[in-house]
Amino acid sequence: AQTVTQSQPEMSVQEAETVTLSCTYDTSESDYYLFWYKQPPSRQMILVIRQEAYKQQNATENRFSVNFQKAAKSFSLKISDSQLGDAAMYFCAYLGSGSGYALNFGKGTSLLVTP
Amino acid sequence: GAVVSQHPSWVICKSGTSVKIECRSLDFQATTMFWYRQFPKQSLMLMATSNEGSKATYEQGVEKDKFLINHASLTLSTLTVTSAHPEDSSFYICSARATSGRAPETQYFGPGTRLLVL
Repeated sequence: AQTVTQSQPEMSVQEAETVTLSCTYDTSESDYYLFWYKQPPSRQMILVIRQEAYKQQNATENRFSVNFQKAAKSFSLKISDSQLGDAAMYFCAYLGSGSGYALNFGKGTSLLVTP
Repeated sequence: GAVVSQHPSWVICKSGTSVKIECRSLDFQATTMFWYRQFPKQSLMLMATSNEGSKATYEQGVEKDKFLINHASLTLSTLTVTSAHPEDSSFYICSARATSGRAPETQYFGPGTRLLVL
């Protein structure tokens, strides 16, 4: 079974600064996808960024980028120029064919953004 | 973008009653829908996978007779919590996987249903 580990229960960043959230995973599959989801207080899950395992290039979406290290099974999220609206729970998630394409979530990291 | 709705968004019920939660994909067809449960300050835990026209697949430890899932059409899946008890109080979230026209590995989440059993 695939496991997703987020070792940082809480992180804090000052507005306009950069923060990196870590995620590691364990799998024996060769074809899979990785995601970062944001869950604000409304609890609506919002897709932040996705990465296909077969792609070597790290995904980027505006201020959000990932550092995907396939051999190390690491998938960290970097948020640049942090904004107050970035404050939320962030979940790293794995999706592979072996799980019937159901998402397997890490425990989450609570991000606090201070003015 | 793709929209998934859930109804109701918030429900309070008495212990022993049954509650039905609907999950609808509004602008796409979803062969597969997933039901997750999230307790306060915890992650999302997959309860079951719902496939249109067939029986749902439940995760280990989830009672299929207690959490009845029906996926009668390509746009609707329902979760019925039967004989609800206070320990069933939680946040239930559905997600839908598009049949075609969209990346199959992409899931779209509903806004969730908060269930409180008294």
